[in-house]
Amino acid sequence: ILNVEQSPQSLHVQEGDSTNFTCSFPSSNFYALHWYRWETAKSPEALFVMTLNGDEKKKGRISATLNTKEGYSYLYIKGSQPEDSATYLCAFHYNQGGKLIFGQGTELSVKP
Amino acid sequence: EPEVTQTPSHQVTQMGQEVILRCVPISNHLYFYWYRQILGQKVEFLVSFYNNEISEKSEIFDDQFSVERPDGSNFTLKIRSTKLEDSAMYFCASRKSAGVRNEQFFGPGTRLTVL
Repeated sequence: ILNVEQSPQSLHVQEGDSTNFTCSFPSSNFYALHWYRWETAKSPEALFVMTLNGDEKKKGRISATLNTKEGYSYLYIKGSQPEDSATYLCAFHYNQGGKLIFGQGTELSVKP
Repeated sequence: EPEVTQTPSHQVTQMGQEVILRCVPISNHLYFYWYRQILGQKVEFLVSFYNNEISEKSEIFDDQFSVERPDGSNFTLKIRSTKLEDSAMYFCASRKSAGVRNEQFFGPGTRLTVL
């Protein structure tokens, strides 16, 4: 059974803090790793698709790294803002068909 | 910017009733998916659909479930006889092509409540 785990489950930070969370996934049969940002009542928004070991991606204050050999990815948010409050989901993609296996998400709350 | 839309946003039904959840994927996308999230659990894959047929389905997707792309724009999920445990948020997603870097774009979900 393919399993994806995220930690921590929730995180409460102050505005301006930098934070990071982890996604662990199977290190075999790797195809891609997806990060999504999901605000309540909205569509999950794609942040990154990561495919190569050592990949680093950046979008504004958010960045992510990938280690396929050991099966983990980190998501970093620099200088958190209240609008960063959301659930961050990672999803493991192991075949061309596109089936995604999701972690349980990290719920981030940023207080002003 | 193109987006995936889903209707209704919330559906309440009685156990044993049939429901149809509707999705309009992004227009030039070729791969379509349904996922669901039971409250407090992970988002889980139900089915993928390509070239007018199911390409992969999970153990959850039994004979009570079916999918259809009736008119080239809509993509529907039908549950024939709903059970209490079908209560969940159902997400539709679409993807342009099979390329490894292609994102799946998700709709906002339909919350299904089975009483």
